[in-house]
Amino acid sequence: QKEVEQNSGPLSVPEGAIASLNCTYSDRGSQSFFWYRQYSGKSPELIMFIYSNGDKEDGRFTAQLNKASQYVSLLIRDSQPSDSATYLCAVMREDYGQNFVFGPGTRLSVLP
Amino acid sequence: EPEVTQTPSHQVTQMGQEVILRCVPISNHLYFYWYRQILGQKVEFLVSFYNNEISEKSEIFDDQFSVERPDGSNFTLKIRSTKLEDSAMYFCASSAKSNQPQHFGDGTRLSIL
Repeated sequence: QKEVEQNSGPLSVPEGAIASLNCTYSDRGSQSFFWYRQYSGKSPELIMFIYSNGDKEDGRFTAQLNKASQYVSLLIRDSQPSDSATYLCAVMREDYGQNFVFGPGTRLSVLP
Repeated sequence: EPEVTQTPSHQVTQMGQEVILRCVPISNHLYFYWYRQILGQKVEFLVSFYNNEISEKSEIFDDQFSVERPDGSNFTLKIRSTKLEDSAMYFCASSAKSNQPQHFGDGTRLSIL
């Protein structure tokens, strides 16, 4: 059974702070890792993806991957109230039909 | 920017009836997916589709479910005899290549009465 775990939150941070979101996965054969943002009642919206160990930065967002520890994280710098949403970690293994296994999501609340 | 479109946005159906949820994936994408999200729960994979056949399906995708790509643009999910527990948001997604990000449509909210 492939599992993706995330702290459900809510994670509350003040505006302008760094928000750190964490995700662990059980399938060591996982190859691709994605972060999606989901506002209440809306569809998942892609934030970032990462395939290799290390850091990947895109604007205020940094994804970090450590395959040895089976851990992927998302850092949001200079958090804004508009970043308040549920953040979904998704993991994929190509030889299993390319489907995503989603974590339950972490609810982030950025306080003005 | 190209997007995945889904219709209808909300479908209300009596238990036991058949429903068809429709999706138009991004035009140059080759991989198509259906997911569902029961209210308050996580997004769950249903089925993936490539080269006109199912690549993989989950335990949820039992004999009452089917998918079809009837023409060059549409991708449909059919639920033959709906149950109360089928009430959920259904998301269609597509990707250009197998390991690339999947882009999601706005979803169809299915309510079974």
